[in-house]
Amino acid sequence: IAGITQAPTSQILAAGRRMTLRCTQDMRHNAMYWYRQDLGLGLRLIHYSNTAGTTGKGEVPDGYSVSRANTDDFPLTLASAVPSQTSVYFCASRGVVDTGELFFGEGSRLTVL
Amino acid sequence: GQNIDQPTEMTATEGAIVQINCTYQTSGFNGLFWYQQHAGEAPTFLSYNVLDGLEEKGRFSSFLSRSKGYSYLLLKELQMKDSASYLCAVLDSNYQLIWGAGTKLIIKP
Repeated sequence: IAGITQAPTSQILAAGRRMTLRCTQDMRHNAMYWYRQDLGLGLRLIHYSNTAGTTGKGEVPDGYSVSRANTDDFPLTLASAVPSQTSVYFCASRGVVDTGELFFGEGSRLTVL
Repeated sequence: GQNIDQPTEMTATEGAIVQINCTYQTSGFNGLFWYQQHAGEAPTFLSYNVLDGLEEKGRFSSFLSRSKGYSYLLLKELQMKDSASYLCAVLDSNYQLIWGAGTKLIIKP
C-alpha cells in the first residue's frame, strides 16, 4: 500500500535518552517534512527536506536533527530528549512543492518523562 | 509575523450546515488548504484554493478571497462522522505551509 510509514507509533522515553523516529515513503516524493502537534498550537514544522541530500530548519528545530540520505527515508533524531518534546510527531511528504497536497504518516506519540 | 486565525471550537446539529472561517496574514500567498483531522489520526486533504471564488466538492465547499485574506469551509448535510478538527493552512512565498491551530467541530444529533 503506497503511503508514508512512521515508527514507532508510540514510545515512552526517559529524559536524556536519544531517540530516532523513522519515516519512510514509497511515493517517490521529493519533499518531506517533520511536524509536531500540541494541543491548541496546531502543526509546527521542525525540519524539512526539499530533495534527497538537502535539509532545512523549520519553526521549532532546536533539539532535533534530520538526515535525507535517499528519497524514501527521513528520520528525525532527538539527541537528548526533554519533557517539552512530549508531543505527537507527524511525517509528511509532498510531490509538487508549489501546489501539491501533503500526505501524512499516522503519527508517532512520544512521551518524555 | 505570519498568522492564521480560526475559531477554536464550533458545535452544529446533524443534517445542518456549518461554516468554518479562516483569516490569514502571511508573507506571500501561493494557495490555501483545508485538512480534516479525526481525533488520534493524521490530517487528510480536503481542498485547495489559489484563485478567488468557491470550490465545491460534494458536501464540502471552500471559498477564498485573497484581497480580504479570508477563506471559509462550508459543510452541508452534516453527518456524525464530520465530527473532527478542521485545519486551515496557507502556502507562503517560500512555499512553506503555515498552519492554523484548527477548529474542533462537534456534531450533535
